[in-house]
Amino acid sequence: DAGVIQSPRHEVTEMGQEVTLRCKPISGHNSLFWYRQTMMRGLELLIYFNNNVPIDDSGMPEDRFSAKMPNASFSTLKIQPSEPRDSAVYFCASSLEAGLGSTDTQYFGPGTRLTVL
Amino acid sequence: AQRVTQPEKLLSVFKGAPVELKCNYSYSGSPELFWYVQYSRQRLQLLLRHISRESIKGFTADLNKGETSFHLKKPFAQEEDSAMYYCALSLANYGQNFVFGPGTRLSVLP
Repeated sequence: DAGVIQSPRHEVTEMGQEVTLRCKPISGHNSLFWYRQTMMRGLELLIYFNNNVPIDDSGMPEDRFSAKMPNASFSTLKIQPSEPRDSAVYFCASSLEAGLGSTDTQYFGPGTRLTVL
Repeated sequence: AQRVTQPEKLLSVFKGAPVELKCNYSYSGSPELFWYVQYSRQRLQLLLRHISRESIKGFTADLNKGETSFHLKKPFAQEEDSAMYYCALSLANYGQNFVFGPGTRLSVLP
């Protein structure tokens, strides 16, 4: 298995432009997570999906951020319009759904390094 | 509210010295704790989880519910241990939710 796949690996854009980050979770995994990592704030959970449904988006910083999961094998994180303070590494992770009251390991993708000029 | 704290942003030790990365959590339920590691230019990966009670790459971590801590320890640090370490708390509710600590950068000096 190739693991969690993210694209692009690097993105450089100008302030005000729309940015779309993509993620393909591990086949068979039912939960998908989007994280942002910065030097100042460390690793932050932005949103997570279970069976393609957004469960908790309280970590999404503001309305400029949106995430979708149209099917079990694909998710996008969109920033529109982008700002320099959005520059960070964005990680996608997936896990098996272990059932009510239990948890499972999250497998992380390689991340997308976003630079907004 | 659930929280994970890692008091040290940066920890430097010499090769061969013992190392302890501190992690404290606040959670009223039954916690599951994890340590994740990110080596330079590599993806974040699971290092160990408390329920497996195993030693990975010489690291161990014991969950202390009385002190609400899950410190990561290694008796003899190696240069290849230099990385960013994140402590994470998993909330045992349906649908899962992970809370990560801010991370500690470990630098093992030669």
